[in-house]
Amino acid sequence: GAVVSQHPSRVICKSGTSVKIECRSLDFQATTMFWYRQFPKQSLMLMATSNEGSKATYEQGVEKDKFLINHASLTLSTLTVTSAHPEDSSFYICSASLAGVNNEQFFGPGTRLTVL
Amino acid sequence: RKEVEQDPGPFNVPEGATVAFNCTYSNSASQSFFWYRQDCRKEPKLLMSVYSSGNEDGRFTAQLNRASQYISLLIRDSKLSDSATYLCVVNVRYSSYKLIFGSGTRLLVRP
Repeated sequence: GAVVSQHPSRVICKSGTSVKIECRSLDFQATTMFWYRQFPKQSLMLMATSNEGSKATYEQGVEKDKFLINHASLTLSTLTVTSAHPEDSSFYICSASLAGVNNEQFFGPGTRLTVL
Repeated sequence: RKEVEQDPGPFNVPEGATVAFNCTYSNSASQSFFWYRQDCRKEPKLLMSVYSSGNEDGRFTAQLNRASQYISLLIRDSKLSDSATYLCVVNVRYSSYKLIFGSGTRLLVRP
C-alpha cells in the first residue's frame, strides 16, 4: 500500500514557539493531503484539506493564521503551529489521497506535540 | 449530536469470544463506510470497507443498513492481538469528500 511519513514523530516545545510538522507521500503523488488532530480519548477531527499549489480549506473553528499549511509539491505538505500554547498539545496526523482512487486516504504515523 | 456515534466501551472479552460493535451516523449523504483500527498512540489503519450487502474478511464481518444509518462490526474467535480501538468512519461529500470519524470503541481481549 501507499506509504506516508511524518516528521517529527514527537516534539516537546515551550509555550510561544512555532512547530513545523512535515507530511510526505513516499511512493505516490498525493493530489490532496489532510491534517487531523486527535485529543486523548476523542475522535480524529479534520483540521484542513490542502491541494497541491492552492490554499488550504480549513474546517470551522480552526484558525488559519495559527495553523499554517503549505502544500508546495505533490509529495510534501507542512503544518506549522504558530505560537503554540499548552492547549495545542495533541496528536497531529496527516493523510494523503490519490484523486480518482475511491478517495482512499493513507495515514501518516502521527506527530505527538507537547507544549509546556 | 455527533455525526458518527459509537459506544466507547471498553469491551472486555476472553480470547475466543465473539464481539460486536455498533455505530450510527446522522448524515444521509454519507457515501462510503469503513472500520479502522487504532492502537494506542498510533495512526488509524484501515480494517475494512463496509458494503450494503455485508462483507467478510477472515474473522471480521461488517454490515451496513442504509435505511437505519447503522453500521456493525463482528469479530469472531477474538485474539489478544485484536485489543485496540475500533473507529467507525464515514465518507461524506460536502464541497469535497471528507472522512468523519467516530470516537471509537475500545476492545480488550484477555487471556
